[in-house]
Amino acid sequence: QKEVEQNSGPLSVPEGAIASLNCTYSDRGSQSFFWYRQYSGKSPELIMFIYSNGDKEDGRFTAQLNKASQYVSLLIRDSQPSDSATYLCAVNTEGYSTLTFGKGTMLLVSP
Amino acid sequence: DVKVTQSSRYLVKRTGEKVFLECVQDMDHENMFWYRQDPGLGLRLIYFSYDVKMKEKGDIPEGYSVSREKKERFSLILESASTNQTSMYLCASLGPPDTQYFGPGTRLTVL
Repeated sequence: QKEVEQNSGPLSVPEGAIASLNCTYSDRGSQSFFWYRQYSGKSPELIMFIYSNGDKEDGRFTAQLNKASQYVSLLIRDSQPSDSATYLCAVNTEGYSTLTFGKGTMLLVSP
Repeated sequence: DVKVTQSSRYLVKRTGEKVFLECVQDMDHENMFWYRQDPGLGLRLIYFSYDVKMKEKGDIPEGYSVSREKKERFSLILESASTNQTSMYLCASLGPPDTQYFGPGTRLTVL
């Protein structure tokens, strides 16, 4: 059984701070890792994907992957109230098109 | 831009009714997916399809069936709706790079 674990939160940070969201996964064969953002009542939207160990930066977002420790994280710099949402971590295994999702971490950014 | 549309944003049906949820993508993607999302349970895969007329069961296929007669359209069918199928239903299609793009979702209530 493939599992993806996230702290449900809420994670509360003040505006301008760095938000750090974490995710662990059980399947060592996982190859691709995705972060989605989901606003209340809306569908998930892709923020970032990462395949290789290390960091990947895109604007205020940085994804970090450590395959040896089986964790992936998302850092949001200069957090804004508009970043308040649930963040979903998803992983898939090479050769398969399906994703296993975590249950998400709710982020609250206070002005 | 990737575009996935779903036939209804909100739907109310009665127990025992046959329900059709439709999803259309305009990117010529081969793989399409149906999920349901419930509080505390996260996103769960119901069925997916990797080609026309091809389908595979996901984690929770019981009570559901699917149809894929054309590449762009993937339908989810509730043969006899029950109250425990009240949920948010999300369709996704797989685009490059191995990324799932979601439709806006259908919130189904079964009375």
